[in-house]
Amino acid sequence: SQQGEEDPQALSIQEGENATMNCSYKTSINNLQWYRQNSGRGLVHLILIRSNEREKHSGRLRVTLDTSKKSSSLLITASRAADTASYFCATDSNQGGKLIFGQGTELSVKP
Amino acid sequence: ETGVTQSPTHLIKTRGQQVTLRCSSQSGHNTVSWYQQALGQGPQFIFQYYREEENGRGNFPPRFSGLQFPNYSSELNVNALELDDSALYLCASSLVGGNNEKLFFGSGTQLSVL
Repeated sequence: SQQGEEDPQALSIQEGENATMNCSYKTSINNLQWYRQNSGRGLVHLILIRSNEREKHSGRLRVTLDTSKKSSSLLITASRAADTASYFCATDSNQGGKLIFGQGTELSVKP
Repeated sequence: ETGVTQSPTHLIKTRGQQVTLRCSSQSGHNTVSWYQQALGQGPQFIFQYYREEENGRGNFPPRFSGLQFPNYSSELNVNALELDDSALYLCASSLVGGNNEKLFFGSGTQLSVL
């Protein structure tokens, strides 16, 4: 498969806890992005990290990137029930407009 | 809301038929990409159009074809439908030509092939 891998496939936590999702990919990249999807509908862009960056923050989100290990992680701090969704990483390798998505992590935050 | 609209939202077809899905890009965006998402999987890249030309294509057969119009709206056409074509089809637009730094997705068209 050309897709990257994400783990865990599913994650269930309590409100207020932190959630960490991991993504591994196979080729060199220009950037890596994280998207969120609610109930099989459209994806929403969360954050982008470039290949020359190691860490990036946006509100309650923290993304790290390790290009030597071809991996990234997304941390959601102080989770809320509204964070319940599927989260996907996507890599841009400058291949004619193609983003390669992982298989996603299904996050469930219980109130 | 992203400003990207897709129609129809749901569609049921039978094997062998042809289907056309439509997408209106967010205002000011000149690049549109189409993705197929099977149940429980991540989206897979079908192709991208930039200024009405195909800018890249994924591993999909020629019976998947597309168009982009001068107003940057787009169509995805699938001929000779197969059962495995059942999926959520997502359209995404972006601001800069060929730049994938942030995609704005529509809500998708759920296609069922019987």
